[in-house]
Amino acid sequence: QQQVKQSPQSLIVQKGGIPIINCAYENTAFDYFPWYQQFPGKGPALLIAIRPDVSEKKEGRFTISFNKSAKQFSLHIMDSQPGDSATYFCAASMTGRRALTFGSGTRLQVQP
Amino acid sequence: DTEVTQTPKHLVMGMTNKKSLKCEQHMGHRAMYWYKQKAKKPPELMFVYSYEKLSINESVPSRFSPECPNSSLLNLHLHALQPEDSALYLCASSQEVAGGYTFGSGTRLTVV
Repeated sequence: QQQVKQSPQSLIVQKGGIPIINCAYENTAFDYFPWYQQFPGKGPALLIAIRPDVSEKKEGRFTISFNKSAKQFSLHIMDSQPGDSATYFCAASMTGRRALTFGSGTRLQVQP
Repeated sequence: DTEVTQTPKHLVMGMTNKKSLKCEQHMGHRAMYWYKQKAKKPPELMFVYSYEKLSINESVPSRFSPECPNSSLLNLHLHALQPEDSALYLCASSQEVAGGYTFGSGTRLTVV
């Protein structure tokens, strides 16, 4: 019940494309869903996060879509750029246990 | 200051050595974390400190010993490690009630 399942494992898109990364969870006690971006040799950096009371959140070129009934959430990157090439992790946490459960990660490559 | 600073950035140690990893934040965050990340894997939670008290220990072997001297500092003491402990060790911090973590860049540890 602590798992967060992430897909795809890797993704290649052309510059300007819209990569979509999906995550699914089982534990309905999760109430915070962040996405992290990680470049090689660096720590993960928070991109955007959502709580279950909203269905969509946009920050710049990044959008989270959240489907509470399906227990799924996804990250969309609009107008993707080569500089977006990184590993993306979804995660989830719950009130009272301030520890993130991470998805397995998606390696995104944006080709020029 | 919106950073989590980790030192050293790289560490090579023998299996009989004792070494320490250090982490510092000045954002007023009251929760601090140690994560371990192997190549091409998501971060795995090791320890959580809340208000300078250890609140979560994810069954980590005793050769890893955390310490939180004050609200800004977090140490991880290492002793008698094994080669399989080689990994990127990440420190993070967060506000008491918000879920967003700020990660450091990590310490790349190699055990020989």
